[in-house]
Amino acid sequence: GDSVTQMEGPVTLSEEAFLTINCTYTATGYPSLFWYVQYPGEGLQLLLKATKADDKGSNKGFEATYRKETTSFHLEKGSVQVSDSAVYFCALSDQSGYALNFGKGTSLLVTP
Amino acid sequence: GAVVSQHPSRVICKSGTSVKIECRSLDFQATTMFWYRQFPKKSLMLMATSNEGSKATYEQGVEKDKFLINHASLTLSTLTVTSAHPEDSSFYICSALGLAEPSNEQFFGPGTRLTVL
Repeated sequence: GDSVTQMEGPVTLSEEAFLTINCTYTATGYPSLFWYVQYPGEGLQLLLKATKADDKGSNKGFEATYRKETTSFHLEKGSVQVSDSAVYFCALSDQSGYALNFGKGTSLLVTP
Repeated sequence: GAVVSQHPSRVICKSGTSVKIECRSLDFQATTMFWYRQFPKKSLMLMATSNEGSKATYEQGVEKDKFLINHASLTLSTLTVTSAHPEDSSFYICSALGLAEPSNEQFFGPGTRLTVL
């Protein structure tokens, strides 16, 4: 079945450092790919998404490109801030667009 | 933006009792809501899909008689954990599917922490 694998955390970075969180997927067909963020005490929020190969999703300085050839959707940000500290989830949805399959989440801590 | 609330945010109950968790879409109507369970350091696991006015669709391995789901209106879905046991202790999260485009975006509630003693 469909699955998502993302790098284990926690990831600790200094403010203004470059961030990469790796995400790879296994799926039949052509899934949509998502990154969700969960700030402490809050619900998951959609950070960005891509619905087809070579699409780049971007939001709040974060970017991820849908790479079909490597089945990847790595999350990147050029300069992280303390306020980016959160748990990040990579997810895919099947072709119905409904069911979400999540990775295990990567905790990010950004220190001043 | 689209807001989904859950009530209660945390609940502690004795083994054998039943607990009801509410999920509400506050500023939009949702014909479809989802219930997830999140274990520590684990991903979210989809438990069931709840459709307004019809029976919920449960994922494989989820006991429908134990996790009762009711979606009686376009803004409310409830999950009742019946005869709760310590192994049911977990973080339960709901999401609601927006009716407006993009129609496949889910909006998540903040979650409910259930502890069964």
